[in-house]
Amino acid sequence: KAGVTQTPRYLIKTRGQQVTLSCSPISGHRSVSWYQQTPGQGLQFLFEYFSETQRNKGNFPGRFSGRQFSNSRSEMNVSTLELGDSALYLCASRARGDTEAFFGQGTRLTVV
Amino acid sequence: AQSVTQLDSHVSVSEGTPVLLRCNYSSSYSPSLFWYVQHPNKGLQLLLKYTSAATLVKGINGFEAEFKKSETSFHLTKPSAHMSDAAEYFCVVSDAGNTPLVFGKGTRLSVIA
Repeated sequence: KAGVTQTPRYLIKTRGQQVTLSCSPISGHRSVSWYQQTPGQGLQFLFEYFSETQRNKGNFPGRFSGRQFSNSRSEMNVSTLELGDSALYLCASRARGDTEAFFGQGTRLTVV
Repeated sequence: AQSVTQLDSHVSVSEGTPVLLRCNYSSSYSPSLFWYVQHPNKGLQLLLKYTSAATLVKGINGFEAEFKKSETSFHLTKPSAHMSDAAEYFCVVSDAGNTPLVFGKGTRLSVIA
């Protein structure tokens, strides 16, 4: 069974630009969550989607948004990038009714 | 609201000696608890989970953790450290299946040859 796949693995963007990250969950998993990981703040929850609906949302500004498609693949978008958005963005999928999450390798975003 | 406190930001052990990574949690409900490991530039891998069954949970790579409700603790142990255990370890709590996972700040484990 294929794991969680995140693309791209690395990105370099300029301040003010926008970026879209992609996540393909484990087959059959309908829940996809996104996390931001930085050295200073650790792992912080961004949002969770389940069956194309946002089910939970963390405490991030509106520049951070996401969506989920009918095949459970998810994208997150960050607009008007700031230097502080540089981070490892991790995607995780969960099977319905289970609580443990399975993580992708992450996308390393660098904003210059 | 649930929260997790990992009591040590860095633990250093010699190869072959026991590992103890400490975690205390706070939860309004009967929680699910997890330990994840992250090797450099990698995603997170589930080591083990507690979901109200046996209080002593065995995981992969020889790790285990004991759920102690009276102490609100879920410490991770391993009898004998290996060089490949060097990584960042995260204690995680979830109140219910549909709530986000809440992560501790992480404990960096160094293993000295």
